[in-house]
Amino acid sequence: KAGVTQTPRYLIKTRGQQVTLSCSPISGHRSVSWYQQTPGQGLQFLFEYFSETQRNKGNFPGRFSGRQFSNSRSEMNVSTLELGDSALYLCASTLEASSHNEQFFGPGTRLTVL
Amino acid sequence: GQNIDQPTEMTATEGAIVQINCTYQTSGFNGLFWYQQHAGEAPTFLSYNVLDGLEEKGRFSSFLSRSKGYSYLLLKELQMKDSASYLCAVYNANAGKSTFGDGTTLTVKP
Repeated sequence: KAGVTQTPRYLIKTRGQQVTLSCSPISGHRSVSWYQQTPGQGLQFLFEYFSETQRNKGNFPGRFSGRQFSNSRSEMNVSTLELGDSALYLCASTLEASSHNEQFFGPGTRLTVL
Repeated sequence: GQNIDQPTEMTATEGAIVQINCTYQTSGFNGLFWYQQHAGEAPTFLSYNVLDGLEEKGRFSSFLSRSKGYSYLLLKELQMKDSASYLCAVYNANAGKSTFGDGTTLTVKP
């Protein structure tokens, strides 16, 4: 069974631009969570999607948004990029929503904002 | 609120035993995860504790005390490949999410 995939793996943008990141969960998994990982802040929860609905949201500004498609693939979008948005963005899939089951993480997208 | 504390860095010798502690103060608790993350890679699941006590899985064991808000990950017979960051995460069913600590970077030396 293929793992969680994320595209692109690396991205360089400039301030003010917007970016869309993609995540394909493990086949059969219906929940996708997004995290931002930085050296100073660790792994911060962005949001979780299940059955095309956002179920939970972390403490990030409205510039961060996401969606989930009927095939469970998910995208997150960051608009009006700031230097502080430079980070590794990880998505994780689980079988069910808000589950105590282990999360399977993708390799991440490393975003650099110049 | 959620507060999870882990040591930032630890160093140990190959073949030795190391214990990585995690303390938490959270508004809800439904389980605690440990993940391993090698540099430049995604976190991978190590263990999940929901009841008090020790869970052993090969060279790795994880302990939980809910009354003390405390967990540890015990790594035995350390190998060089165990050099990685170890993340403690508390799952809160009411909030529907896991909150992660900042991770402990373990360096195993020959």
